[in-house]
Amino acid sequence: AQTVTQSQPEMSVQEAETVTLSCTYDTSESNYYLFWYKQPPSRQMILVIRQEAYKQQNATENRFSVNFQKAAKSFSLKISDSQLGDTAMYFCAFNNNDMRFGAGTRLTVKP
Amino acid sequence: NAGVTQTPKFRILKIGQSMTLQCTQDMNHNYMYWYRQDPGMGLKLIYYSVGAGITDKGEVPNGYNVSRSTTEDFPLRLELAAPSQTSVYFCASSYSTGFVSYEQYFGPGTRLTVT
Repeated sequence: AQTVTQSQPEMSVQEAETVTLSCTYDTSESNYYLFWYKQPPSRQMILVIRQEAYKQQNATENRFSVNFQKAAKSFSLKISDSQLGDTAMYFCAFNNNDMRFGAGTRLTVKP
Repeated sequence: NAGVTQTPKFRILKIGQSMTLQCTQDMNHNYMYWYRQDPGMGLKLIYYSVGAGITDKGEVPNGYNVSRSTTEDFPLRLELAAPSQTSVYFCASSYSTGFVSYEQYFGPGTRLTVT
């Protein structure tokens, strides 16, 4: 079974600085999808970024980018120019029909 | 589009009672999912469906049942509620061709307490 590990339960960053959230996963599949979701206090799950495993190029979405290392089974999220609104729980997820989430990293952006 | 809607938003059940959590999506997505999120934890997949009439177990299916009679609706049934089922339940949907899996869209969640 696939497993997703987020080794940083909590992180904090100063506003306007850069922070990287870690995620590793374990799978024997070669084709799959990886996601980062954000969950603010409202509890709504919001997609941040998506990466297809067959693509070598790292995905980017404005201030959010990933470092996808397929051989190492690593999928980290970099948030540049952090904003107060980025404060939330961040979940890494692996999908090959059976979606698996990590336990989450609570990110606090400090003014 | 309303997206993914869930009812109710909150519910308190007594041990041994049963209930159905409703989920509807209006995006014509073929895949639908039910998750539970325990406090301070990530989401765990309970059941999923790849299309009307087809359902499959996820990571934590015990104590739950689902059905998928239409593309739009994917209700989750709790039989004989137990305190261990106290959680926040999320329904989600996505479009997948089997070769490409797009992102999941989530409902707002149902907070369930079993006492």
